[in-house]
Amino acid sequence: AQKVTQAQTEISVVEKEDVTLDCVYETRDTTYYLFWYKQPPSGELVFLIRRNSFDEQNEISGRYSWNFQKSTSSFNFTITASQVVDSAVYFCALSERNYGGSQGNLIFGKGTKLSVKP
Amino acid sequence: DAGVIQSPRHEVTEMGQEVTLRCKPISGHNSLFWYRQTMMRGLELLIYFNNNVPIDDSGMPEDRFSAKMPNASFSTLKIQPSEPRDSAVYFCASSSSYQETQYFGPGTRLLVL
Repeated sequence: AQKVTQAQTEISVVEKEDVTLDCVYETRDTTYYLFWYKQPPSGELVFLIRRNSFDEQNEISGRYSWNFQKSTSSFNFTITASQVVDSAVYFCALSERNYGGSQGNLIFGKGTKLSVKP
Repeated sequence: DAGVIQSPRHEVTEMGQEVTLRCKPISGHNSLFWYRQTMMRGLELLIYFNNNVPIDDSGMPEDRFSAKMPNASFSTLKIQPSEPRDSAVYFCASSSSYQETQYFGPGTRLLVL
């Protein structure tokens, strides 16, 4: 069965610290997608990144970087030089291709609440 | 370009009343998803449509919940009769098969008294 585990429920850091959010997933499929979403205090869900199972290259976007390792079924997210505006709940999610090739639904982790203090 | 639009943004109702949540997906997207977020259960899929056809409704809690997508630009999620345990934030998301990324609306915060 598909499952996404975010073991860190809450993390608190001081501004400018680096922080890594962990995500471990389970799937029997060989073709799948992994996602990170951000949910700020205002409540909306903001898409951050999508990775497919055939692309293990790490990705960097400004202060954000993602490390995808199939060997350990992990897709970790690092924020460098954190800022107060990074305070939010971050969700990791998994999507498998269902039979027929169309996209399946997202399986979300429980989320990690990140608090960045000034 | 407009994102996913949901209405109402907030809804307060009394137990037993009918509630209708509305969603307009991003133009050109052919998949639409309804999710519910609660503290206890997190984010969970209720139902999703592909090309206006329901593909998976296994997450719909019970017969009190129903969803429709009469055309490519509109979907509704109805709860009748509503109960206090239905209080949650309901999100609608859409995606195009090509991009494979779901974009979420702002959510509807429902409180059933």
